[in-house]
Amino acid sequence: GEDVEQSLFLSVREGDSSVINCTYTDSSSTYLYWYKQEPGAGLQLLTYIFSNMDMKQDQRLTVLLNKKDKHLSLRIADTQTGDSAIYFCAERESGNTPLVFGKGTRLSVIA
Amino acid sequence: DVKVTQSSRYLVKRTGEKVFLECVQDMDHENMFWYRQDPGLGLRLIYFSYDVKMKEKGDIPEGYSVSREKKERFSLILESASTNQTSMYLCASSLPRGTEETQYFGPGTRLLVL
Repeated sequence: GEDVEQSLFLSVREGDSSVINCTYTDSSSTYLYWYKQEPGAGLQLLTYIFSNMDMKQDQRLTVLLNKKDKHLSLRIADTQTGDSAIYFCAERESGNTPLVFGKGTRLSVIA
Repeated sequence: DVKVTQSSRYLVKRTGEKVFLECVQDMDHENMFWYRQDPGLGLRLIYFSYDVKMKEKGDIPEGYSVSREKKERFSLILESASTNQTSMYLCASSLPRGTEETQYFGPGTRLLVL
């Protein structure tokens, strides 16, 4: 089946940039998403990118998509302690199926 | 703003009990989903529904059933709760296919089965 892979942990210092990476297998993915989950809460949509785009920027967030390598990344500039959370990558597969999520990357921000 | 609500934030049940988890969304979304989230396993899809009275099995449907009698409400049922169903349960809704199909999540229900 289709798969979305992420590293499980990332630790950065406050003020540095964080880069969270994701790889996926479905070459026909049309939309790719980043969600954030704070402790004890549900998932909150951060941003999404359509597959015909290479980059999307939204304030401190930059999403880069390399469709050839099936690689998606989320860069958080000037990382703050409030950015500490689990970040999930997700893709929309082809056909009539739900989103496929990665296992999530836990970002820890050290003050 | 889209709002997805779940009936309980925390629930404690005994083995063998029948458990109902309710999810309601207020944006007239066609699609609704139930996931469970466990450490190291990420989100796993239990059931989903693309319309009223429709249901589809996800990756781990065993031990669960669902009900979608109204468009805004999607219920997850544990017919006979077991300790391995202790987990965080997340409900989501989205617009139908042909859109960017962003899923909006509820706050989650943390279920403990003793």
